[in-house]
Amino acid sequence: QSALTQPASVSGSPGQSITISCTGTSSDVGGYNHVSWYQQHPGKAPKIMVSEVSNRPSGVSSRFSGSKSGNTASLTISGLQAEDEADYYCSSYTSSSTYVFGTGTKVTVL
Amino acid sequence: QVQLQESGPGLVKSSQTLSLTCTVSGGPLSSRGYYWSWIRHHPGKGPEWIGYISYTGNTYYFPSLESRVSVSADTSKNQFSLQLTSVTAADTAVYYCASLRGYSFDSWGQGTLVTVSS
Repeated sequence: QSALTQPASVSGSPGQSITISCTGTSSDVGGYNHVSWYQQHPGKAPKIMVSEVSNRPSGVSSRFSGSKSGNTASLTISGLQAEDEADYYCSSYTSSSTYVFGTGTKVTVL
Repeated sequence: QVQLQESGPGLVKSSQTLSLTCTVSGGPLSSRGYYWSWIRHHPGKGPEWIGYISYTGNTYYFPSLESRVSVSADTSKNQFSLQLTSVTAADTAVYYCASLRGYSFDSWGQGTLVTVSS
């Protein structure tokens, strides 16, 4: 199975909102509401930011929100802050009972 | 939330077996609903899920790796392990252990770089 497609980079100024897309197929993103998003700062462990398309785990800022339409899921970061600069990955459960990740997006705060 | 830490050799010779261990703290491996997973990340690519061992001891692997992968658990030490046989340069990556709950990886280790040398 192929990795989910994400833009390589997204940037925004402090306070702005940005959206990262994650495109798959009907066998993964489009077929299940089991899409998650992870944030990874350099040298650090990935951290879950959103589960089940739009659920925020305890402790995750409300500035992070997720959604899905068809085969594309999205992560929106509102009120962008310097600390949000990191790599972001999506993942999805698949029809083969496996998990597939996205290609990753580098978020830059200008 | 559990904490995980990978350990093992950072350098493995081509054709040999890669072996890594993940030590779990903050909860037993038998905690209901937990699937103890291995994930690897090649530079410049997205992470790749390798497989898991469940809280009941069942295993499931990514099909393209299934012939070379084994995940096992030692509940007395609260550790689970990865073995990947017949490695090549393509297996060079940062390897993570993580806990899978529901359909999300909710805790991750720091990751360990494994380089396959010829």
